[in-house]
Amino acid sequence: SQTIHQWPATLVQPVGSPLSLECTVEGTSNPNLYWYRQAAGRGLQLLFYSVGIGQISSEVPQNLSASRPQDRQFILSSKKLLLSDSGFYLCAWSFGGNQPQHFGDGTRLSIL
Amino acid sequence: DAKTTQPNSMESNEEEPVHLPCNHSTISGTDYIHWYRQLPSQGPEYVIHGLTSNVNNRMASLAIAEDRKSSTLILHRATLRDAAVYYCILFSGNTGKLIFGQGTTLQVKP
Repeated sequence: SQTIHQWPATLVQPVGSPLSLECTVEGTSNPNLYWYRQAAGRGLQLLFYSVGIGQISSEVPQNLSASRPQDRQFILSSKKLLLSDSGFYLCAWSFGGNQPQHFGDGTRLSIL
Repeated sequence: DAKTTQPNSMESNEEEPVHLPCNHSTISGTDYIHWYRQLPSQGPEYVIHGLTSNVNNRMASLAIAEDRKSSTLILHRATLRDAAVYYCILFSGNTGKLIFGQGTTLQVKP
């Protein structure tokens, strides 16, 4: 069966510091991968998605970037964090097409 | 992207059935109807999806109107662990994007 791992679970970072969140999927190959953000009390917003290694689509202009260096690894990064980057970050995978997406446990990011 | 409309909140008693409605009057012929739920401080969990016919799985049932402009998620016997935010989403494989709305917050009373 497939599993998805995200880490860390919680992160507190100062404004202006860099960020790297990692997500890995096990038990499948060539999955579609997604990064979402959920601000406090709000719904999920799609940030990036990837259909293959090195292929990244950005959904909203922002201070963040994503990379997919390996088939089952998806990384969310920032060079300098802003206060507005606080939130709950979720990684998800799917087989593509109309198949459902499966989410990790998320990273709660607080910016001080 | 086609939108869905759900009630902000609903209440249910434990061990009773729950019917969660969703309106999607602008659905296109290729849109699938997906349902997810999110427990506090957790990532969303896939519940069920369908295109035209009613669907059943171990978690729930999905009843889709004949004109596909509405659907209902049915939890046959609510438990306290079913208390969550339930999202009804129209999903097109063309874009591969899930567009989350505000969902329905379900409270289950013991």
